[in-house]
Amino acid sequence: EPEVTQTPSHQVTQMGQEVILRCVPISNHLYFYWYRQILGQKVEFLVSFYNNEISEKSEIFDDQFSVERPDGSNFTLKIRSTKLEDSAMYFCASMDQGAGEQYFGPGTRLTVT
Amino acid sequence: RKEVEQDPGPFNVPEGATVAFNCTYSNSASQSFFWYRQDCRKEPKLLMSVYSSGNEDGRFTAQLNRASQYISLLIRDSKLSDSATYLCVADSGTYKYIFGTGTRLKVLA
Repeated sequence: EPEVTQTPSHQVTQMGQEVILRCVPISNHLYFYWYRQILGQKVEFLVSFYNNEISEKSEIFDDQFSVERPDGSNFTLKIRSTKLEDSAMYFCASMDQGAGEQYFGPGTRLTVT
Repeated sequence: RKEVEQDPGPFNVPEGATVAFNCTYSNSASQSFFWYRQDCRKEPKLLMSVYSSGNEDGRFTAQLNRASQYISLLIRDSKLSDSATYLCVADSGTYKYIFGTGTRLKVLA
């Protein structure tokens, strides 16, 4: 069964450093997402990406965040200068068509020290 | 009012019990609804989509009431392996998901 994969599973970084979280969505899917979940809190939408551009972003997704689909398979989330409050689990998801079901990757646990 | 609201629980039930979870949503533009299951520190996994006509998958039944903006999940004959957090999800109307805080279920032997 096709699945979304993410690397790394855990990333520890110092405040102010740049991190890149990587995702490989399911191959025939067209819509890509990043969500985050701070420990003990609900899953929150960050950004959606369709047709090689951002379709929607949340208030959390400020100028420190960017996304890219550099080739036909990878989908990345970059945080330019990490803050302590960026510590969270980051989930990538993909969907094959609008209003369909989203499938989530196993997540990257980001710890900012 | 929270966009998607759920009772956080925990619900502690004996094996074999029937348990029901409820959820309300505030965005009338939402068109698609889902229940996801999340185990501790893992990703949300799709349990089932929710349709106005109701849908059933084995021991799980989901219902949607658009007039009341209310979604439910019924689990019959609970198993130990059903212990998890159940996430109610509404599409925002723009293909992004709005998650509830989740309802924790613990099935006891």
